[in-house]
Amino acid sequence: GAGVSQSPSNKVTEKGKDVELRCDPISGHTALYWYRQRLGQGLEFLIYFQGNSAPDKSGLPSDRFSAERTGESVSTLTIQRTQQEDSAVYLCASSQGQGEETQYFGPGTRLLVL
Amino acid sequence: KQEVTQIPAALSVPEGENLVLNCSFTDSAIYNLQWFRQDPGKGLTSLLLIQSSQREQTSGRLNASLDKSSGRSTLYIAASQPGDSATYLCAVIGPSSGTYKYIFGTGTRLKVLA
Repeated sequence: GAGVSQSPSNKVTEKGKDVELRCDPISGHTALYWYRQRLGQGLEFLIYFQGNSAPDKSGLPSDRFSAERTGESVSTLTIQRTQQEDSAVYLCASSQGQGEETQYFGPGTRLLVL
Repeated sequence: KQEVTQIPAALSVPEGENLVLNCSFTDSAIYNLQWFRQDPGKGLTSLLLIQSSQREQTSGRLNASLDKSSGRSTLYIAASQPGDSATYLCAVIGPSSGTYKYIFGTGTRLKVLA
């Protein structure tokens, strides 16, 4: 079956512009996660959705970052007024439940802010 | 606060060698530990998932062990091949990380020379 997909695969934007990153999880997976990987660093957790609700937004680095999920399916991560330090690979994952469930990762969106 | 460390950061070996990648974590109260492979331009591929009650998992030439009490896991790769070249990440999930988010190590970049 289809895995987790993300779009766009690459995004180059100018500092100050807004960007939207999309994640399509595996069908039927109730949990969805966003992570960020900056160059030379490990993956950082950003936000977790259970259904359409986000019980934990603690990883969002600033109020310029927001995310939503609709229909217990697609999620959009929005970064407003992008800064150069936002340049990273943004990875989305989904799982059937939470906790001990395996998380399946998408290919990521490479964001470069000039 | 859970912290995950991977040693070595980079490794270069000739084809055919057996090798061991190390992962250590500071909080032994985990639900599971997962080893991932990350190829350039691609997302994460799950290699092995070890539940907290298990001591090891095997898949083909890969064997992962878990010693919760000492906060360590090793990934053993037998008869390495150039196709094994990638970054290997370990990640843990447990109550200290909110039960649903993985805490990742910074990875080991492996290069297998033909």
